[in-house]
Amino acid sequence: DTAVSQTPKYLVTQMGNDKSIKCEQNLGHDTMYWYKQDSKKFLKIMFSYNNKELIINETVPNRFSPKSPDKAHLNLHINSLELGDSAVYFCASSAKGGNSPLHFGNGTRLTVT
Amino acid sequence: TQLLEQSPQFLSIQEGENLTVYCNSSSVFSSLQWYRQEPGEGPVLLVTVVTGGEVKKLKRLTFQFGDARKDSSLHITAAQPGDTGLYLCAGASNTGKLIFGQGTTLQVKP
Repeated sequence: DTAVSQTPKYLVTQMGNDKSIKCEQNLGHDTMYWYKQDSKKFLKIMFSYNNKELIINETVPNRFSPKSPDKAHLNLHINSLELGDSAVYFCASSAKGGNSPLHFGNGTRLTVT
Repeated sequence: TQLLEQSPQFLSIQEGENLTVYCNSSSVFSSLQWYRQEPGEGPVLLVTVVTGGEVKKLKRLTFQFGDARKDSSLHITAAQPGDTGLYLCAGASNTGKLIFGQGTTLQVKP
């Protein structure tokens, strides 16, 4: 059973489109995250939710909107996609939030053309 | 702002060689985590070090946390092709967020 699963694995779309990435965890964790990994492999946190409440919101354009319908799901919707949004997006979860170890999904490679 | 500098960024070695990856900061971290990421997958936690001076071993991998909790190292003995991947250190910051280093891409050639 996959602990943290995100879909789709690959997403190719044109500038200006709106797209969503879904994430689900079956670990019973309270905290979920979205990270962005750029072409240089640098991982940067975007958002963190604890039990459906937004905890961390880094300096991310408001075109990015996370939604957590319950503590096992954290989806990411992106409006008006731009070329610079191309990256690999990782969903992750942790038991306690804060600095607890992370369990990552396998990533969604977004390519904006 | 707390930063973690990882070195080297890239490492290509032959099977059987030893190597060390460094993770340095001018800031103190309450703990430090090491992850390995393989192509097409997410990072997977290898170890967490918490106490200054702590040493943890995972088979051929040895992790050390600096006495002042500002740096850490990962030493691999007799590297194997299966060790190939991206190694990431992440420090537990005073803001409740994990701060990641830039990563070290390791290639072990047979």
